[in-house]
Amino acid sequence: DTAVSQTPKYLVTQMGNDKSIKCEQNLGHDTMYWYKQDSKKFLKIMFSYNNKELIINETVPNRFSPKSPDKAHLNLHINSLELGDSAVYFCASSLAVSSYEQYFGPGTRLTVT
Amino acid sequence: GDSVTQMEGPVTLSEEAFLTINCTYTATGYPSLFWYVQYPGEGLQLLLKATKADDKGSNKGFEATYRKETTSFHLEKGSVQVSDSAVYFCALATPTGDYKLSFGAGTTVTVRA
Repeated sequence: DTAVSQTPKYLVTQMGNDKSIKCEQNLGHDTMYWYKQDSKKFLKIMFSYNNKELIINETVPNRFSPKSPDKAHLNLHINSLELGDSAVYFCASSLAVSSYEQYFGPGTRLTVT
Repeated sequence: GDSVTQMEGPVTLSEEAFLTINCTYTATGYPSLFWYVQYPGEGLQLLLKATKADDKGSNKGFEATYRKETTSFHLEKGSVQVSDSAVYFCALATPTGDYKLSFGAGTTVTVRA
């Protein structure tokens, strides 16, 4: 059973398009995260939700909008995609907002052409 | 703000060699410290952690000791295998902070047979 799953694994799209990445965790965790990893492997937190409530909202363009329909799901919608959005996006979860042991999904490689 | 600095890679070594990856931190208060590992094509996994000074975290033959006097949490393994080839991330969390993990830049390790 996959603990944290993301779909799709690869996403190739053109500039200006809108796309979504979905994430689901079956660990019963309360907290979920979105991270962006650039080509140099640098990892940056984007958002976190605790039980559907937004906790962390880093300085990211407002073209990025997270949505958490329930505590097991956290989706990421990106409007008007730009070349600089190309990266690997990781979803993660943790037991609680104060638990720093995070479980990561396999990543979604987004390529914007 | 709180941050970690880890040695730059890439690091290439032969099987059975000794591995050290340096990590130092800057934090107010008493952070918890972590090492995460990212194998090729996968998400990050927690490798080990330490929550207070002089704690030693260990897993899969890797060890790291929380040194408050030198603000360090260096990762070591006595005899690496090809399967240890991965990117290693040092991370820090301040218990009364902003619920974020602060990751280092990652160190790519390649082990040759």
